[in-house]
Amino acid sequence: GAGVSQSPSNKVTEKGKDVELRCDPISGHTALYWYRQSLGQGLEFLIYFQGNSAPDKSGLPSDRFSAERTGGSVSTLTIQRTQQEDSAVYLCASSRRGDSPLHFGNGTRLTVT
Amino acid sequence: QQQVKQSPQSLIVQKGGISIINCAYENTAFDYFPWYQQFPGKGPALLIAIRPDVSEKKEGRFTISFNKSAKQFSLHIMDSQPGDSATYFCAAIVTGSARQLTFGSGTQLTVLP
Repeated sequence: GAGVSQSPSNKVTEKGKDVELRCDPISGHTALYWYRQSLGQGLEFLIYFQGNSAPDKSGLPSDRFSAERTGGSVSTLTIQRTQQEDSAVYLCASSRRGDSPLHFGNGTRLTVT
Repeated sequence: QQQVKQSPQSLIVQKGGISIINCAYENTAFDYFPWYQQFPGKGPALLIAIRPDVSEKKEGRFTISFNKSAKQFSLHIMDSQPGDSATYFCAAIVTGSARQLTFGSGTQLTVLP
C-alpha cells in the first residue's frame, strides 16, 4: 500500500485481556515508531525501531507493553493484562531513515472496558 | 534538554484571521523542525519543516518563523479557513542521531466560519 497501515482500526477488550496491534510500514522504510495518544492529548512516544539496531524501548510505560518488528517490516505492539488507563489511540509511524519525515497510520483506537 | 514546549494548548480564530502557534526548545543540537497537522480520526501528517540555517519558510498560507538565538519557532497560518481546524504539533530532532523526534504537546486550532 501507499501508506502506513494499522489494524484493527478499533479494538474493544475487557480489562485483564491481552491485545495485539499491528503496523505495516511503508515499504523500504527502515525506521518504525509507536506512539500513544490519549483523548485530546499529545503524542506519547512508546518505542522506536531503526534497522537492525536494538530498539529504543525507553517510552514503554510498563512491562505489560512489548513490541517486536519481524524481518525489518511488520511490527506488533502487545499489551498484556490490559487496564482501563491503556485506553487510547495507538499510532504507528515509519520513515525512510531515523531522521526523515514520519508517515503516520490512522491508528488503532483501543477501549478497555 | 529534549523537551519542546508548545503553546497555546488551544486556539480559536475567526475565518480570515492569522493563527500563530509557538514552540520553544532547549537542545541547541536540534537541527530539523517539522510541523505536523492532525485531523480527527487520522494520524498526524507532515505540514511544513525548517532547518535553522533560514529564519523563515513559507508554503502557501503556512509560514514557519525561526529564531535561533531565542531557541523558538512558530507556525503562522495566514487567512485561516475552517478546513484548517485541526491539532498541530511542532517537533524537533538532531538529524543523524539515533534519537527519535521530540514532539510538542499539540495545539487544537478551531477556525470559526
